[in-house]
Amino acid sequence: EAQVTQNPRYLITVTGKKLTVTCSQNMNHEYMSWYRQDPGLGLRQIYYSMNVEVTDKGDVPEGYKVSRKEKRNFPLILESPSPNQTSLYFCATSRQGSYNEQFFGPGTRLTVL
Amino acid sequence: AQSVTQPDIHITVSEGASLELRCNYSYGATPYLFWYVQSPGQGLQLLLKYFSGDTLVQGIKGFEAEFKRSQSSFNLRKPSVHWSDAAEYFCAVGARDAGGTSYGKLTFGQGTILTVHP
Repeated sequence: EAQVTQNPRYLITVTGKKLTVTCSQNMNHEYMSWYRQDPGLGLRQIYYSMNVEVTDKGDVPEGYKVSRKEKRNFPLILESPSPNQTSLYFCATSRQGSYNEQFFGPGTRLTVL
Repeated sequence: AQSVTQPDIHITVSEGASLELRCNYSYGATPYLFWYVQSPGQGLQLLLKYFSGDTLVQGIKGFEAEFKRSQSSFNLRKPSVHWSDAAEYFCAVGARDAGGTSYGKLTFGQGTILTVHP
């Protein structure tokens, strides 16, 4: 079954404690992205990757890091989380040439106290 | 840069009534357009998409959308709403760089919350 998985699904942490949210896909898609969803703002892209070792900033990259060492994985790293990073995070994948049609993971609800 | 506006933050309809959710986009070239639905506590599900060709596109769950280039709109419609349609709906446009290369990004509208009364 084609799917995008994220872990953890829910996380409560404290300010400054480094965390990683994992994303994995089994569709062999080239593109992967991270979005955050906040009420009234829709989804905004944080970072994206066009392929292994190729990443770039999206619209709201401050406070986040990513890496793409393998095609199937695209972890999101918060080195020093702050309360304004409390949000719902989605990983998404897209096949090259597919007109940007995105397949989304189930989401990770992050609360930073 | 591309942008998407969903003018209605919250819409309430009665079950069985017709529905139209508005979406206006700003993009210099032919857009790739999408509607996604998010049920409470769930992820995003693709309802329908427009790339080219017929401007009236059919999607899942009885939804359709019409691309109107002259109005820069891509409104979502359903002739008869069911209680299970209560959710948040997002319109999105696919982004490309100046050279026309897609890099897997969607720009989303703010979302429209749909409430369905019995």
